[in-house]
Amino acid sequence: GQQVMQIPQYQHVQEGEDFTTYCNSSTTLSNIQWYKQRPGGHPVFLIQLVKSGEVKKQKRLTFQFGEAKKNSSLHITATQTTDVGTYFCAGGPNAGKSTFGDGTTLTVKP
Amino acid sequence: SAVISQKPSRDICQRGTSLTIQCQVDSQVTMMFWYRQQPGQSLTLIATANQGSEATYESGFVIDKFPISRPNLTFSTLTVSNMSPEDSSIYLCSVQVTNTIYFGEGSWLTVV
Repeated sequence: GQQVMQIPQYQHVQEGEDFTTYCNSSTTLSNIQWYKQRPGGHPVFLIQLVKSGEVKKQKRLTFQFGEAKKNSSLHITATQTTDVGTYFCAGGPNAGKSTFGDGTTLTVKP
Repeated sequence: SAVISQKPSRDICQRGTSLTIQCQVDSQVTMMFWYRQQPGQSLTLIATANQGSEATYESGFVIDKFPISRPNLTFSTLTVSNMSPEDSSIYLCSVQVTNTIYFGEGSWLTVV
């Protein structure tokens, strides 16, 4: 079955540093979504990418979908303490029915 | 947008019992999805709940263990049957509205 791998598993940064998490799929994805889950919370949808090579920005967050639609990345510029949480990528035949990566847990030291 | 209400938010359950989780959406949706998130783990899709037809289960999940109802376009239930400590997880329902996915706040079950 489809596998979605995410690295790194953990990332600890100093506030103001950049952060990137990478997502790789064993198969070509029709779409990829990114979520943020705060400790004790539920996943919150950030974005969906559907086009090969697509790049989207949300303030300090930049999302990329690879040309082959098998990988993706989330980059946060100048992290803030409010960015802490676990970031998940997920991909599948449709957005609701997705295979989730293992997540990258980000901690930010003030 | 969509607002999803899940009940219960938390529960402690006895081994061997069953618990039904409810998911209510404030708008009509064709498909609802049930996920499980074991402690410290990622999310795993249990099944897709379709209105008017049987739920579609993912590999490793069976109807006898996780019966699902979908009586209308705004509501679904997931039952966790004959619970064991391994079923201690967060159970989440989700829906897709246009190009956005919404999750409920989750039902945190602990089986003792």
